Amino acid sequence: GAVVSQHPSRVICKSGTSVKIECRSLDFQATTMFWYRQFPKKSLMLMATSNEGSKATYEQGVEKDKFLINHASLTLSTLTVTSAHPEDSSFYICSAAGQSTYGYTFGSGTRLTVV
Amino acid sequence: GQQVMQIPQYQHVQEGEDFTTYCNSSTTLSNIQWYKQRPGGHPVFLIQLVKSGEVKKQKRLTFQFGEAKKNSSLHITATQTTDVGTYFCAGPSAGGTSYGKLTFGQGTILTVHP
Repeated sequence: GAVVSQHPSRVICKSGTSVKIECRSLDFQATTMFWYRQFPKKSLMLMATSNEGSKATYEQGVEKDKFLINHASLTLSTLTVTSAHPEDSSFYICSAAGQSTYGYTFGSGTRLTVV
Repeated sequence: GQQVMQIPQYQHVQEGEDFTTYCNSSTTLSNIQWYKQRPGGHPVFLIQLVKSGEVKKQKRLTFQFGEAKKNSSLHITATQTTDVGTYFCAGPSAGGTSYGKLTFGQGTILTVHP
């Protein structure tokens, strides 16, 4: 079945630094990937839609200059949290769907802690 | 904007009891998807319903899509401890196309006491 690999699974960084999270579709091509943020025991909040070869589409209230998204190929999208602050600490998950997949496949998530 | 409401938010059951979670959309959906997220894990796709009134079964899980394609339910018969997790419904966001963004319900957190 479709597999989406997300790295790192956990990261602790200092305030003011930047963190890059990678999301790769391993066995299918994903023209579109989605980035979510999830708070404990809460639903998935869509942050942005990542489109291969074009600019990402951000949801209302999400700062595009803070959450940089790059989708340089059909199998890789990256989310960079710039100048991270403690309030950016959260669980970030990517998902992707492709013509050969059924439903959306999620990465394993990245737990970011900013200290 | 489009809203997808899911109830209950929490459900605690004894092992062997049945469980149902309900999903209601403010708009008609072209399809509805269900996902399960185990504690500490990521959402895993369970099923997609497309047709009005559709009913699908996966072992002890029964999924229904309403006639008006605005509501759905997931029923688990004789819950087991392995059913523990959060169950989300999700539908294409308004105006969305295939492989477009989804709107997720708030999720139902299921705990099963052995």
